Amino acid sequence: AQSVTQLDSQVPVFEEAPVELRCNYSSSVSVYLFWYVQYPNQGLQLLLKYLSGSTLVKGINGFEAEFNKSQTSFHLRKPSVHISDTAEYFCAVSDSGGYQKVTFGTGTKLQVIP
Amino acid sequence: GAVVSQHPSRVICKSGTSVKIECRSLDFQATTMFWYRQFPKQSLMLMATSNEGSKATYEQGVEKDKFLINHASLTLSTLTVTSAHPEDSSFYICSAPGQYYEQYFGPGTRLTVT
Repeated sequence: AQSVTQLDSQVPVFEEAPVELRCNYSSSVSVYLFWYVQYPNQGLQLLLKYLSGSTLVKGINGFEAEFNKSQTSFHLRKPSVHISDTAEYFCAVSDSGGYQKVTFGTGTKLQVIP
Repeated sequence: GAVVSQHPSRVICKSGTSVKIECRSLDFQATTMFWYRQFPKQSLMLMATSNEGSKATYEQGVEKDKFLINHASLTLSTLTVTSAHPEDSSFYICSAPGQYYEQYFGPGTRLTVT
């Protein structure tokens, strides 16, 4: 079984400032890691994913994340946020066995302040 | 990218009635779809895995007789909430797995039971 922990339920940040959203996971098997974004009253959109290879993954809208196996982390970062980045961000994990059942973290609300 | 639609986007029903929610993969086939429930300001809770041509697999604690799932074709899965009660009010989201282990999510259905 897997679990995902997002330590921060809310992160306020000023516009154009950098941001890091933290995610830690636990699993007894190899995993795939994902970040999804949810805008109000909408479904989730994929920001980026880590399957294998380079541990630094770049996604859409200027976001990137780094997979750290020793620390079992997959933190999301953006060097300069915009008002439009205000949304809920979910870290997720699935096992690499191919079943694709996904476990989500509890989400982090990113509030960009003008 | 792949598109998943849900219908309706919002529904209000009276207590005791049944409501059907449709999830369609518009430009790809999905032998598997997932149904989630999301409470306000909380993460997605996986309810069940919908398998084309066979019975759905329900997560522990989810009443299969209350949440009927039918996956009759490679592009359509339906979730029927039977004898709905106010506590069933929630945001229901479906997803279908993509080719590279990501999930494509529908926009969600807001169910309100009065």
